[in-house]
Amino acid sequence: GAVVSQHPSRVICKSGTSVKIECRSLDFQATTMFWYRQFPKQSLMLMATSNEGSKATYEQGVEKDKFLINHASLTLSTLTVTSAHPEDSSFYICSARDMYQMNTEAFFGQGTRLTVV
Amino acid sequence: GESVGLHLPTLSVQEGDNSIINCAYSNSASDYFIWYKQESGKGPQFIIDIRSNMDKRQGQRVTVLLNKTVKHLSLQIAATQPGDSAVYFCADQKTDSWGKLQFGAGTQVVVTP
Repeated sequence: GAVVSQHPSRVICKSGTSVKIECRSLDFQATTMFWYRQFPKQSLMLMATSNEGSKATYEQGVEKDKFLINHASLTLSTLTVTSAHPEDSSFYICSARDMYQMNTEAFFGQGTRLTVV
Repeated sequence: GESVGLHLPTLSVQEGDNSIINCAYSNSASDYFIWYKQESGKGPQFIIDIRSNMDKRQGQRVTVLLNKTVKHLSLQIAATQPGDSAVYFCADQKTDSWGKLQFGAGTQVVVTP
């Protein structure tokens, strides 16, 4: 099946610094990727839709200047958490949709555990 | 699905019994529904999907039922095994927003020997 890889799987950063999370589709091309955030014991909440070659679309309440998304190629989207604070600590998960298999499910990465200290 | 807050319901099931997990969704325009399994510290894993023109679909040991009238989805797991212990989420989407999923609150399934 299709594979989506996230890197890193875990990261600890100091408050005020920025951290970048990568989401790669390994065996398919994706014009669209999605970023979710999940707090402990809660569901996944969609943060933004990442569009290759254009600006990301953010969900209501998500600060686009804080969560920078870049989708520069058909296999890579990055999420940068800028000026991270402890409340940004969460599990960040990406998913990707195969651009040639438009009516199949989106495939999820394994997630990135961000801890801001 | 409807994400209803901080509480994660728990379903305790004895090994070998059948499990039924329920989910409500709110968007009547949704036409594609998916069940995911999530183990601790991992991303969601696809289990089974169903489109809105169906009301039942079966996979290996799993069955999904869709009731569009009351916007309800259920997942049945036959002969539950210890490896089925995880959090289960339903998700829904609209065809014109393919891949953009609305997740339900989730249910923690605990399989006891």
